[in-house]
Amino acid sequence: AQKITQTQPGMFVQEKEAVTLDCTYDTSDPSYGLFWYKQPSSGEMIFLIYQGSYDQQNATEGRYSLNFQKARKSANLVISASQLGDSAMYFCAMRDPDTGNQFYFGTGTSLTVIP
Amino acid sequence: ETGVTQTPRHLVMGMTNKKSLKCEQHLGHNAMYWYKQSAKKPLELMFVYNFKEQTENNSVPSRFSPECPNSSHLFLHLHTLQPEDSALYLCASSRSRLAGGPETQYFGPGTRLLVL
Repeated sequence: AQKITQTQPGMFVQEKEAVTLDCTYDTSDPSYGLFWYKQPSSGEMIFLIYQGSYDQQNATEGRYSLNFQKARKSANLVISASQLGDSAMYFCAMRDPDTGNQFYFGTGTSLTVIP
Repeated sequence: ETGVTQTPRHLVMGMTNKKSLKCEQHLGHNAMYWYKQSAKKPLELMFVYNFKEQTENNSVPSRFSPECPNSSHLFLHLHTLQPEDSALYLCASSRSRLAGGPETQYFGPGTRLLVL
C-alpha cells in the first residue's frame, strides 16, 4: 500500500490566488513527520514546510501553510498569493517510524501558475 | 560553500564504465541519503547513512555501491549499469534521528545520469 498519496497530477492556479495541494498518508505509528518539497525544472528538491504528528498548531512558513487533519490522515499544502515562480512539482513526504524511519515520497503534483 | 553539493551535475556513461557520484554537505548533519528519481515514479530511497554507518539499503542492486568516509561526504560508485538506471540521483542530508527534532532532509541539485 502507498504510504503517501497525492491525487492531483496537475494543478493550475491564477497568479495571486491561493491553491491547495492534497496529500494523504498512511502509518500506524503515533509519532511521524510530514514534509513538503518543491522541485523546479532544475531538479533540486527544496524544503518548504514540516509538520510533526504531535504539533498542536498547523505549520506555517511565509506563504506556505499546512492544513494538518490528523484524524483524516491528510496534510494538504496551501500556497497563498501564488507567484509565477511557484510553478514546479510539489512532493509530500513522510518519515515513518513504523517502517524503520524510512522516508516516503508521493508521486508529486505539477503546479502551473497562470499570469 | 553552503548546503548540499553534488558532482557531476550531468553524466553519460556506457554500460561497461565505472564512475562515481559525489555528495558533500556543509550543514553539520550526521545522516546522508541517496535517492533515485525516475520519470513518472516516486522518489526511491536507496541508501541511508547515520554517523558514517549504513543503516538502510532498500534492495538496491550491487552495481550501485555507496561509500561514506565521513559525515560530510557520500559517494555512489557505479559499475556495469543498465539503461534503466538512467535517472536523476539526489543526495540529501539531515540531522540524525539520535539528535532529536525534525529530520528535515536538505537536498543537493542532483546528478542527471544517462546510461547508454
